[in-house]
Amino acid sequence: KNQVEQSPQSLIILEGKNCTLQCNYTVSPFSNLRWYKQDTGRGPVSLTIMTFSENTKSNGRYTATLDADTKQSSLHITASQLSDSASYICVVRKAAGNKLTFGGGTRVLVKP
Amino acid sequence: DAGVIQSPRHEVTEMGQEVTLRCKPISGHNSLFWYRQTMMRGLELLIYFNNNVPIDDSGMPEDRFSAKMPNASFSTLKIQPSEPRDSAVYFCASSFLRTGTPSSYNSPLHFGNGTRLTVT
Repeated sequence: KNQVEQSPQSLIILEGKNCTLQCNYTVSPFSNLRWYKQDTGRGPVSLTIMTFSENTKSNGRYTATLDADTKQSSLHITASQLSDSASYICVVRKAAGNKLTFGGGTRVLVKP
Repeated sequence: DAGVIQSPRHEVTEMGQEVTLRCKPISGHNSLFWYRQTMMRGLELLIYFNNNVPIDDSGMPEDRFSAKMPNASFSTLKIQPSEPRDSAVYFCASSFLRTGTPSSYNSPLHFGNGTRLTVT
């Protein structure tokens, strides 16, 4: 069964600190993996995409990694800011077809 | 670019009433998606259109739900009759998919800000 599991479900960090979110998937065959950020009351916004051949990709203070062998991805937030408070959703696209599988998200709260 | 525009932002209705949600995708995008988001189930795909044609409606819960895309710039999701369990945030998203190439599926989804539906 194609699944995407994220951990932790939620976390609280102090402003300025780093954190890492995890995403494990069983989707196969794999096409790509994308991390979205969803602010409260808004729609998700794409942060980064990882394809099979990519191990790491950065977007500002966000760095995503992908291990296609173990089917794991992580999203690292460096020097967190209050505006990083949001839900982060891992989405895996299955190859051949337009099927997306969404993770349940990790809710991040950055406190001053 | 105004992004994906959804209306209304909030809808409160009584059980049994008809509800119509509206979406204007980003100009030039050829694919449109309707999602439902709840705390329990997260984001679920209801239906998606490509070039205004419904491609996959397997996520539509039941016959009470219907979606149309009469042209490239407008889509509706209708619930009739509505039930309390339909309460959720409904998102519309659009994307440009260039089929037939390996990079076809690398286009991100652009989401609207959703319609929060409450059925009492």
